Amino acid sequence: AQRVTQPEKLLSVFKGAPVELKCNYSYSGSPELFWYVQYSRQRLQLLLRHISRESIKGFTADLNKGETSFHLKKPFAQEEDSAMYYCALFNLQGAQKLVFGQGTRLTINP
Amino acid sequence: KAGVTQTPRYLIKTRGQQVTLSCSPISGHRSVSWYQQTPGQGLQFLFEYFSETQRNKGNFPGRFSGRQFSNSRSEMNVSTLELGDSALYLCASSLNRAGYTFGSGTRLTVV
Repeated sequence: AQRVTQPEKLLSVFKGAPVELKCNYSYSGSPELFWYVQYSRQRLQLLLRHISRESIKGFTADLNKGETSFHLKKPFAQEEDSAMYYCALFNLQGAQKLVFGQGTRLTINP
Repeated sequence: KAGVTQTPRYLIKTRGQQVTLSCSPISGHRSVSWYQQTPGQGLQFLFEYFSETQRNKGNFPGRFSGRQFSNSRSEMNVSTLELGDSALYLCASSLNRAGYTFGSGTRLTVV
């Protein structure tokens, strides 16, 4: 079954420190993976997708098929990065849909 | 351009009642998907509509239904409401699976 796992429900780092939000997936085939972010009182929005290989707001994510991971990284955290982050996989098998992880709440301390 | 619009923003209903939620997608987007977000279960897929047809369906009981109109606007209906249906219901529209744009959601509280 297709599954996305975000092992950390909460993550707290200091401003200026590196950030890594973990995401592991199970999927047979070539996955399409995304990171979504939800800032306080705002809607869920797309942060980045692996096929575009672009960096948004300083965040990058590399797909590692061997480790079935798609961790989100930023070298220097900023206070405005505090938000809820969701890793998602687009399922092409059966019902085509986004399968989300449980999310990680990132808090950046001043 | 306007984003995905969901109405109403908040709803309070009593057990046993039914409710209808509305979603207007981004202009030109023909796919509309619905998700339920709860603290315990996270984001779960309800169904997707494309060109007025239900294209995909999640694992929810038949009390949850939807439809899409010719202008791509979509409605979701929940009948015989249960306390466990209390959640944030999110609608997302897409042009293709390259990315989904989500609405602000409708927060449903069942009492």
